[in-house]
Amino acid sequence: EVHLENSGGGLVQPGGSLRLSCVASGFTFDDHALHWVRQVPGKGLQWVAGITWNGGVEGYADSVKGRFSISRDNANNSLHLQMNSLASEDTALYYCVKDRYASDFKWFDSWGQGTLVTVSS
Amino acid sequence: DIVMTQSPATLSVSPGERATLSCRASQTISNFLAWYQQKPGQAPRLLISGASTRATGVPARFRGSGSGTEFTLSISSLQSEDFAIYYCQQYNNWPLTFGGGTKVEIK
Repeated sequence: EVHLENSGGGLVQPGGSLRLSCVASGFTFDDHALHWVRQVPGKGLQWVAGITWNGGVEGYADSVKGRFSISRDNANNSLHLQMNSLASEDTALYYCVKDRYASDFKWFDSWGQGTLVTVSS
Repeated sequence: DIVMTQSPATLSVSPGERATLSCRASQTISNFLAWYQQKPGQAPRLLISGASTRATGVPARFRGSGSGTEFTLSISSLQSEDFAIYYCQQYNNWPLTFGGGTKVEIK
């Protein structure tokens, strides 16, 4: 069974930084691209960032480009999201998500339980 | 960016009845469309990819159709566990984008 364990969320002040992590199990980790998708509580879904199986390609939503950085460690089955210059608009539940494919960004066939990031003074 | 528009925002349906949800893309996306179901307090769950291919374990009462810019998710004979929010997502272009969701509620 696929399991994506999110961690690293919390309360941070505007302008601050936070690093989210996701540890995966139950599938061949480097056979899949991975993503972060966020959701403001009670609102819709927004794709934040994605990374291909070997880290060769990264993609970002315009709203986070230059501030967020996605990375993966295939030796440890982990995915990370480094978030800098955080603003109140970044407050959301952040999901670690598995792509069906390895080398392109397609659809999301497994989701973690999410980790809440709150940006507030 | 490709804008995905879902309608209606809320759909009130009686158990056992059929629900029809719409998703429109701002430009053609061929059949590069997925549907997800989200229940309160849970992460979304993949229902359909490629506009019409059900994911593993998804009941046959869920049917996706469409191509180009117009897509439909039909749920025949709604069960109690089907009342949820449904999102469409395009993967034709980056950034990947979602529709705003349709809430299917009990009438």
